[in-house]
Amino acid sequence: SQQGEEDPQALSIQEGENATMNCSYKTSINNLQWYRQNSGRGLVHLILIRSNEREKHSGRLRVTLDTSKKSSSLLITASRAADTASYFCASNQAGTALIFGKGTTLSVSS
Amino acid sequence: GAVVSQHPSWVICKSGTSVKIECRSLDFQATTMFWYRQFPKQSLMLMATSNEGSKATYEQGVEKDKFLINHASLTLSTLTVTSAHPEDSSFYICSARDVEWQSNYGYTFGSGTRLTVV
Repeated sequence: SQQGEEDPQALSIQEGENATMNCSYKTSINNLQWYRQNSGRGLVHLILIRSNEREKHSGRLRVTLDTSKKSSSLLITASRAADTASYFCASNQAGTALIFGKGTTLSVSS
Repeated sequence: GAVVSQHPSWVICKSGTSVKIECRSLDFQATTMFWYRQFPKQSLMLMATSNEGSKATYEQGVEKDKFLINHASLTLSTLTVTSAHPEDSSFYICSARDVEWQSNYGYTFGSGTRLTVV
């Protein structure tokens, strides 16, 4: 049961540029999280934003949440080659499984 | 912090054999664990929700007789892929929910198991 749709599916940028990824979901949520996955590897939790929050920052990451539009965005500022990975949003209702979006593949070239 | 150990990290098996994947919560109790499958270049798809001491709840389209889930204790859930076929080759990831919701985000993921059926 795929809930989130992410946009764009793939993004290629140069080091130092900002990367913005968007995510939409279908049902009401308890919170929304963003994860990173390097090729063939496990998930790395990046940031969580609760349904009553609108914006959250963590280092070079900025996440926004618009519950009226059922959408979220992840901004990575001053990107680095090491940021090359797939990024997924995941959301859930209280106590239920996280449902992942389709993901954005980010490629940062030096 | 909460740690989930998943084993094995990779396995190659012959078609028709069964493979068991273990997911252990090391420093917390997990009443609920989740199993996901990820095909190449795709996202994680929820397969089933595993509750300690009860039957797992499978997502639509997931064969419960093929993917056997056992959650016999608060720290261990297992996924057995029975009579594996090449199309079952995938990356399987478990996730555990901290019963006391102590971690910052409540869900902790294992490092995944890459299954290749030949």
